[in-house]
Amino acid sequence: QVQLVQSGAEVKKPGASVKISCKASGYTFTDYYIHWVRQAPGQGLEWMGWINPSSGGTNYAQNFQGRITMTRDTSISTAYMELSRLRSDDTAVYYCATEGCSAGNCAYFDYWGQETLVTVSS
Amino acid sequence: DIQMTQSPSTLSASVGDRVTITCRASQSISSWLAWYQHKPGNAPKLLIYKASSLESGVPSRFSGSGSGTEFTLTISSLLPDDFATYYCQQYNTYPFTFGPGTKVDIK
Repeated sequence: QVQLVQSGAEVKKPGASVKISCKASGYTFTDYYIHWVRQAPGQGLEWMGWINPSSGGTNYAQNFQGRITMTRDTSISTAYMELSRLRSDDTAVYYCATEGCSAGNCAYFDYWGQETLVTVSS
Repeated sequence: DIQMTQSPSTLSASVGDRVTITCRASQSISSWLAWYQHKPGNAPKLLIYKASSLESGVPSRFSGSGSGTEFTLTISSLLPDDFATYYCQQYNTYPFTFGPGTKVDIK
């Protein structure tokens, strides 16, 4: 069965960086884009961007441009999301998720990681 | 950015009720809309994609409809497991955006 297993909770100081991993299993890692979505406390869901695990190509939401980097290691079926210059309003739970299909417009998310809480506090 | 709105923001209902949630987009998104169920401490669960396609394994009491700018999610007969927050998401245009959510709670 498809599983996305994320790394554990992080506590960071303002200005620091955080890198979250998302290890995929149960399917061919390079077949489906991986997206990252976050949810700040009491807020809704916010799309951050995607990575194409096959090519390494990325597309980031404008809100995060210049601060976000998505990478992948195909040898271990793992995607990473690094967010730099952290601020207190980056405190949120972060999810990775796979696209729902591999051809056409597939940017809905059928499998999700279990969430990673990032707390930014001085 | 395409703004997504949902109504109502909170809905109090009883087991067995028929529930309808509306999602509106600030511009046409064709049928590129998904619905998710989200419970605290869990990852969101995909219910509907392409406005009306039921995700595999999702009970048939869930249905979606609409196109363009107005969409609905209907739960035909509410079960205890359905009390949760529901989000719509457009994937027509970058950045992909979610609605603010509709919390379905027990009346």
